[in-house]
Amino acid sequence: SQTIHQWPATLVQPVGSPLSLECTVEGTSNPNLYWYRQAAGRGLQLLFYSVGIGQISSEVPQNLSASRPQDRQFILSSKKLLLSDSGFYLCAWSVAETQYFGPGTRLLVL
Amino acid sequence: AQTVTQSQPEMSVQEAETVTLSCTYDTSESDYYLFWYKQPPSRQMILVIRQEAYKQQNATENRFSVNFQKAAKSFSLKISDSQLGDAAMYFCAYRSRLWVRLTFGEGTQLTVNP
Repeated sequence: SQTIHQWPATLVQPVGSPLSLECTVEGTSNPNLYWYRQAAGRGLQLLFYSVGIGQISSEVPQNLSASRPQDRQFILSSKKLLLSDSGFYLCAWSVAETQYFGPGTRLLVL
Repeated sequence: AQTVTQSQPEMSVQEAETVTLSCTYDTSESDYYLFWYKQPPSRQMILVIRQEAYKQQNATENRFSVNFQKAAKSFSLKISDSQLGDAAMYFCAYRSRLWVRLTFGEGTQLTVNP
C-alpha cells in the first residue's frame, strides 16, 4: 500500500533563516505531488504541484520554491523565511483524481 | 474559476444522531470530481468520500453518504449514527477532470456531543 511521509513534524525557525521541508511517497510510481499551506482554521491553498521529476508548477507567487529531485520526493524550500510563512504545510500525492495527504509540518517563524 | 462554498462554519450533533453538512460549488464544466475530506485535531487530511460528476448515483461509504445535485451544484455530506471520533473539520473539494488542482471550501467544524 502507499504511504506518504513528511518531516519534520514541527519546526520553529527565526525570520531570515532558510527552510527545507521534505515529502516522500512509497508504494507508487510517477505520482503527481503537491504542496499546500493551511492557515489556522482555514482551507488549504495549493502552493506547488509536480507531474514529474524536475517539473514544478507554481500556483502562488511567494517566498517559497519547490523541487522534485527524485520520482517520489518533493521538497519545499525558502532562502529567507518571513513571518507570514508560518502555517501548516501539507504534502499530497495522486495517480488518478484523488489526492492523499501526508501528516503535515507545523512551521512557526519567529 | 471554480469556487467551493461551505456556508456552515460550525455544526454540532448528538452522538448516534444524523447530521448533514452543506457544500455548493460554482463551475462551468460538466465533468469533474467532488470530495469530502476530514481533518481531525491531528490535522492530517483524510479522504471521506468521493463523487464523480457523471455518475448519478450518490456515493456511500459506511455511515457516510452524499446528496449530489448536479443541476443545483450542491454536494452535501450526511453522517449517520454519529460517533465521537467523527468530530473534526470537514472540507468539501472540487477537481476538474482537466486539471490536477483541488479547490477547497473553508471547512465546517463538526462537534459531536456525548
